[in-house]
Amino acid sequence: DVKVTQSSRYLVKRTGEKVFLECVQDMDHENMFWYRQDPGLGLRLIYFSYDVKMKEKGDIPEGYSVSREKKERFSLILESASTNQTSMYLCASSLVAAQETQYFGPGTRLLVL
Amino acid sequence: ILNVEQSPQSLHVQEGDSTNFTCSFPSSNFYALHWYRWETAKSPEALFVMTLNGDEKKKGRISATLNTKEGYSYLYIKGSQPEDSATYLCAFSGNAGNMLTFGGGTRLMVKP
Repeated sequence: DVKVTQSSRYLVKRTGEKVFLECVQDMDHENMFWYRQDPGLGLRLIYFSYDVKMKEKGDIPEGYSVSREKKERFSLILESASTNQTSMYLCASSLVAAQETQYFGPGTRLLVL
Repeated sequence: ILNVEQSPQSLHVQEGDSTNFTCSFPSSNFYALHWYRWETAKSPEALFVMTLNGDEKKKGRISATLNTKEGYSYLYIKGSQPEDSATYLCAFSGNAGNMLTFGGGTRLMVKP
């Protein structure tokens, strides 16, 4: 079974703090993704990585950066958290092609005060 | 940004009712349509991947159909059970890009 884990289930941060969300997958998948989910808006892609040190912007990259130093780990960084970044963040991975089935972590619910 | 829409946004049914909901997507440059189930406090999990017009997939009491020419997919649940309560997401991928574009989801609540 593919396992995708995220470092925290719930996180509370203050405006202006730097926030790190970590994601680890254990199935040697090439692709990893970060989404955010807001009510009524579905999952929106923030960033995507298709290989170590490679990244591409998704639909809503503003205010975020990512890091992929190892194949199994993909980090999402909020350089200076703002209240409009309060959301559910989901990490996912897929084997080779980004169009394949994605396997998701349980999500991190972030509250920025 | 591609337009993938799901309806209804939420649905309340009684245990034993059958139900269905819709995902509409662009009818050009179709590659695949995915359905996921996302239960509260769990990870979204894949239900079906559909690639051919006319595809029908079934998993227990859940089935899905696909019409790529008109750009829609239906998800059916026969005899809903409380454990079917979840948000059901569809995701479209087209030839032009590599990403999945998700719809807003249908939140199903089944009352015992």
